[in-house]
Amino acid sequence: AQTVTQSQPEMSVQEAETVTLSCTYDTSESDYYLFWYKQPPSRQMILVIRQEAYKQQNATENRFSVNFQKAAKSFSLKISDSQLGDAAMYFCAYRTDLRGSNYKLTFGKGTLLTVNP
Amino acid sequence: DVKVTQSSRYLVKRTGEKVFLECVQDMDHENMFWYRQDPGLGLRLIYFSYDVKMKEKGDIPEGYSVSREKKERFSLILESASTNQTSMYLCASSPWNQPQHFGDGTRLSIL
Repeated sequence: AQTVTQSQPEMSVQEAETVTLSCTYDTSESDYYLFWYKQPPSRQMILVIRQEAYKQQNATENRFSVNFQKAAKSFSLKISDSQLGDAAMYFCAYRTDLRGSNYKLTFGKGTLLTVNP
Repeated sequence: DVKVTQSSRYLVKRTGEKVFLECVQDMDHENMFWYRQDPGLGLRLIYFSYDVKMKEKGDIPEGYSVSREKKERFSLILESASTNQTSMYLCASSPWNQPQHFGDGTRLSIL
């Protein structure tokens, strides 16, 4: 079974600074997807960024980028120019790409990010 | 925009009651999911459904059942609520091979 580990329960960053959230995962599969989801205090989970394992290029979405190291099974999220609205719980998630898997997600335990003004 | 609507934001029930949590999505998604979120444990999958009347157990199905009679609606049922089922419940939906979209969550308290 796949597992996802987020080793930082809490992180803090100064507004306008850069912060990196860590995620490692364990799998024997070669084809899969990785995601970062954000859950603000309002509670709705929002997709931040996703990465296909077969792509070597790291995904980016505006101020959010990932460092995907497939051999090391590492998938960190970098937030540049942090804003107060980035304060949230961040979850790393894994999804297999096997046919018939029904695409269920395996989540890490989350990292609570605080942004200080 | 995809809309996943959970019927209640907050719910308080008593031990032994049968509890229904409802989830509706408006984008004709094939897949629907129920998760439970607890502090320090992240999200854990309870059940999921990939078609009408089809369901599969997730990682923690004990004490729960589900119903999907129509494509847009996926219900989570606590057959006999217990205090250890006090939690945040999140519903999600997705088309085939696409990211999941989540509802706002239901905070359920069992007294």
